[in-house]
Amino acid sequence: DQQVKQNSPSLSVQEGRISILNCDYTNSMFDYFLWYKKYPAEGPTFLISISSIKDKNEDGRFTVFLNKSAKHLSLHIVPSQPGDSAVYFCAASAKTGTASKLTFGTGTRLQVTL
Amino acid sequence: GAGVSQSPRYKVAKRGQDVALRCDPISGHVSLFWYQQALGQGPEFLTYFQNEAQLDKSGLPSDRFFAERPEGSVSTLKIQRTQQEDSAVYLCASSFSFSGNTIYFGEGSWLTVV
Repeated sequence: DQQVKQNSPSLSVQEGRISILNCDYTNSMFDYFLWYKKYPAEGPTFLISISSIKDKNEDGRFTVFLNKSAKHLSLHIVPSQPGDSAVYFCAASAKTGTASKLTFGTGTRLQVTL
Repeated sequence: GAGVSQSPRYKVAKRGQDVALRCDPISGHVSLFWYQQALGQGPEFLTYFQNEAQLDKSGLPSDRFFAERPEGSVSTLKIQRTQQEDSAVYLCASSFSFSGNTIYFGEGSWLTVV
């Protein structure tokens, strides 16, 4: 029962172009969404997040879009740089009264080529 | 240190051996999480502490897994009688507040059971 899905295991984008990473979720109780970036042999690093009360959040080259009716979110990276090459995980959380534990997707490996 | 610190980074255990994985969270962080990441998968929630109290252990896969955080700071994840399916990266994460949605991960402890 995969509640957070990243259907594209990999993506290759040319340097300077836009990278679009997609994520779908099934649990309507999710109210907070995050993107993490992971380099080999390192832990995931927080990138950007969005609350369910918003439909867009922007931070520099990174923008996350949320479409609640479609239960879909996407991460846009513009312009893409070689240092962006990593595995990107989408994660979601639902308030349970204690801490918000995260449910992760399986990741999308982004390769930015020269 | 500035980040979440985990040790050992790499551990090879013989099947049936007990292992202990240590996590030193960011100073002052109240919430501490353990996640398990199998090869090619996203991290999966194991357990959560708020200070020294273990408030959620719903993700622990069996009673061979045990976690503690006796003084509300350092945490240890113990796996008894390890089996091959326990081979994974064990990630520790912490956040400042009780309901902190942005959690910060350590680099992980890579466990291989042979």
